[in-house]
Amino acid sequence: EMQLVESGGGLVQPGGSLRLSCAASGFTFSSYSMSWVRQAPGKGLEWVSVIGGSGGSIYYADSVKGRFTISRDNSKNTLYLQMNSLRAEDTAIYYCAKHRKVATIDDFDHWGQGTLVTVSS
Amino acid sequence: EIVLTQSPATLSLSPGERATLSCRASQSISSFLAWYQQKPGQAPRLLIYDASNRATGIPARFSGSGSGTDFTLTISSLEPEDFAVYYCQQRSNWPPLTFGGGTKVEIK
Repeated sequence: EMQLVESGGGLVQPGGSLRLSCAASGFTFSSYSMSWVRQAPGKGLEWVSVIGGSGGSIYYADSVKGRFTISRDNSKNTLYLQMNSLRAEDTAIYYCAKHRKVATIDDFDHWGQGTLVTVSS
Repeated sequence: EIVLTQSPATLSLSPGERATLSCRASQSISSFLAWYQQKPGQAPRLLIYDASNRATGIPARFSGSGSGTDFTLTISSLEPEDFAVYYCQQRSNWPPLTFGGGTKVEIK
């Protein structure tokens, strides 16, 4: 069974940093692109960043470019999101999501349960 | 950036009724559109990909149609578990991958 489990969320002050992790199991992790998608409280879904299966092909939403860094360790089947210079508007549930087709950036067929990041003083 | 506009924002229906949800793209996205269902406190679940293909395990009462800029998600007969928020998402022109603002299907 495919599983994605996020961790690392919490309360952080504006300007602070946080590193999210997403542990994957039940599929060949290195074959699939992975994304982070966030959802502010009571709001809709916002794509944040994507990384290709080999760690290349990295893209970011303009709202996080230059502040967030996506990476992956295929030997550990883990996806990461390093978040720096955090702002109040980054407050959200952060989901890791697996793309559906091998080596393709398309839709998301599996999602983690999410981890809450709260940026507040 | 491709903007997806979903309508209506809220749909009030009774179990057994037919639900028709709309998603309109700001420019043509061919058939590169997906639909998701999200229930309170849960992650989204993929329902439909490439406009009209049901994802694994999705009941036949869910169907998708459309191409270009206009897309529809139809739930033929609402079950109690179908009351949720539905999002569309495009993968035609990225980055960024974009989502619509959502349609809430609520019990009338």
